[in-house]
Amino acid sequence: DAGITQSPRHKVTETGTPVTLRCHQTENHRYMYWYRQDPGHGLRLIHYSYGVKDTDKGEVSDGYSVSRSKTEDFLLTLESATSSQTSVYFCAISESVGLETQYFGPGTRLLVL
Amino acid sequence: SQKIEQNSEALNIQEGKTATLTCNYTNYSPAYLQWYRQDPGRGPVFLLLIRENEKEKRKERLKVTFDTTLKQSLFHITASQPADSATYLCAPENNDMRFGAGTRLTVKP
Repeated sequence: DAGITQSPRHKVTETGTPVTLRCHQTENHRYMYWYRQDPGHGLRLIHYSYGVKDTDKGEVSDGYSVSRSKTEDFLLTLESATSSQTSVYFCAISESVGLETQYFGPGTRLLVL
Repeated sequence: SQKIEQNSEALNIQEGKTATLTCNYTNYSPAYLQWYRQDPGRGPVFLLLIRENEKEKRKERLKVTFDTTLKQSLFHITASQPADSATYLCAPENNDMRFGAGTRLTVKP
């Protein structure tokens, strides 16, 4: 998985609680992304980062926030988890902005009860 | 809005045959299109990228075509093997950085 780790790999939480997912890369790539994957919808972009402290919203950003304080770490926070945020979350990295040749982490499976 | 469609949710073929997967896009013209492979419980893995000025690209048993008139890409796996069983995602360049929903390929011995 191209030097990308995600933690935790699995999480069960309750509605209304905050949740933070972590992505860590050892490739020194500038661009990092958070996607969610749901049946029938493909991968949809939540947020992405183009450098330390530089982030932007993706297609499905409502209810999520991100932070990047170091090149290697990109955090995704669900401020108050809802059942609709039950999904598989993937982190990706790339050397140039956009879809071109992204490398993905192993994913985090999140269940919100 | 830009739409990406992978017409088949699932495709079953016999070992040794050629698998052909389809990706269609509408309402725009991407500068490139990519194909990824995803195994259960794992992240997608990049396979091939084809640019709009390329008609065809090959990598070992894989072949991708890009028809900008039909707004379609075909992904072929020749001499398929059970190890090729996976979900294949297409990702035409798009403003939302969205991927297609995927086609689950099963190659039976």
